[in-house]
Amino acid sequence: EVQLVESGGGLVQPGGSLRLSCAASGFSFSNYWMSWVRRAPGKGLEWVANIKEDGTGKHYVDSVKGRFTISRDNAKNSLFLQMNSLRAEDTAVYYCTRDHSRLVYYFDYWGQGTLVTVSS
Amino acid sequence: SYELTQPTSVSVSPGQTASITCSGDKLGQKYVSWYQQKAGQSPVLVIYQDSKRPSGIPERFSGSNSGNTATLTISGTQAMDEADYYCQAWDSSIFVVFGGGTKLTVL
Repeated sequence: EVQLVESGGGLVQPGGSLRLSCAASGFSFSNYWMSWVRRAPGKGLEWVANIKEDGTGKHYVDSVKGRFTISRDNAKNSLFLQMNSLRAEDTAVYYCTRDHSRLVYYFDYWGQGTLVTVSS
Repeated sequence: SYELTQPTSVSVSPGQTASITCSGDKLGQKYVSWYQQKAGQSPVLVIYQDSKRPSGIPERFSGSNSGNTATLTISGTQAMDEADYYCQAWDSSIFVVFGGGTKLTVL
């Protein structure tokens, strides 16, 4: 059974940093692209960043470029999101996803999410 | 930047057919997926590659995509189908984009 378990969310002041983690199990982690997708309160889903199977390719939504860094540790089946210079508009539930990337790109499994609140 | 437009809300009576649209420029030339998110839960993939259903998704969920509009259709809608629904498009030029979401109410 595919499982994705996020952790690391919490309350942080504007300008602060936070590191999210996602523990994956039930599939061959190193064979999949992975993403972070978020949902802000009262808003819709927004894709944030993704990373290639071996970590050599990464993409980000414009609003987080230069502030967020996605990474992975295939030996530990783990995905990370380092978030710096956090803003109020980054407040959201952050989901870790397993991505289907062959021919067509979509998100076939989602974690339960971790809440990030940016507020003073 | 590429945008996908969904109606904010759709209402349907139990047992009837619900249709949720997703519009975008030349959307029919891209692949579309649909996600269901019930209150307090994580999103679930219900349609991928325009019209394919993942295992475990009921047959009453179907999808189509042509021209500038993709449509998620729920036949014989049940109370358990009440949720937010999001379309998502992909191609090499836009990468990943989500629609704004549609709240489906089963009255």
